[in-house]
Amino acid sequence: EADIYQTPRYLVIGTGKKITLECSQTMGHDKMYWYQQDPGMELHLIHYSYGVNSTEKGDLSSESTVSRIRTEHFPLTLESARPSHTSQYLCASSYPVNNEQFFGPGTRLTVL
Amino acid sequence: AQSVTQPDIHITVSEGASLELRCNYSYGATPYLFWYVQSPGQGLQLLLKYFSGDTLVQGIKGFEAEFKRSQSSFNLRKPSVHWSDAAEYFCAVRSGTYKYIFGTGTRLKVLA
Repeated sequence: EADIYQTPRYLVIGTGKKITLECSQTMGHDKMYWYQQDPGMELHLIHYSYGVNSTEKGDLSSESTVSRIRTEHFPLTLESARPSHTSQYLCASSYPVNNEQFFGPGTRLTVL
Repeated sequence: AQSVTQPDIHITVSEGASLELRCNYSYGATPYLFWYVQSPGQGLQLLLKYFSGDTLVQGIKGFEAEFKRSQSSFNLRKPSVHWSDAAEYFCAVRSGTYKYIFGTGTRLKVLA
């Protein structure tokens, strides 16, 4: 059973607030990912990391930032949230060999 | 360009009926293919994967999928659907060492 956790599960905040979405995994995976998911759309990769101190932007332009100070932890931060950031955010990690991905339960963010 | 197409946005089947969800991909090399299921408010759970070898792969919850290179397809099947199978299903192909391309999903409704 994959162990990857995301908090909070649901978040409603006002415009201009700074928020951090937490993601942790206990499987020791080096690779971690953040996806944005909107209804009826495919998942869009917004950030990924190959390991500690490694972060890269994904295909979808995002105003968020990420950090990877510890292997198990990959938080995503929005400095100033806007209504356009309203979406579901999914964190994932993968095995190094076959890159099979495991997903967290997601954070549904609503910015008013 | 690499892509994944799931032609059916919605599918409705009766409980006990058979199911086939279609997935077509466009990828130059030998693909690594995945099917995921997502229940409401949850993250994605891996159903099955194909890397190489036998083109008929078995997954969890009684699902199977067949890789057909000549048709660039990786269709998901289940002989008898249960009400608990109602969810959204995503097909994905791994592209490169970190990138995954997801389809837009098929939402399955099961009639009692």
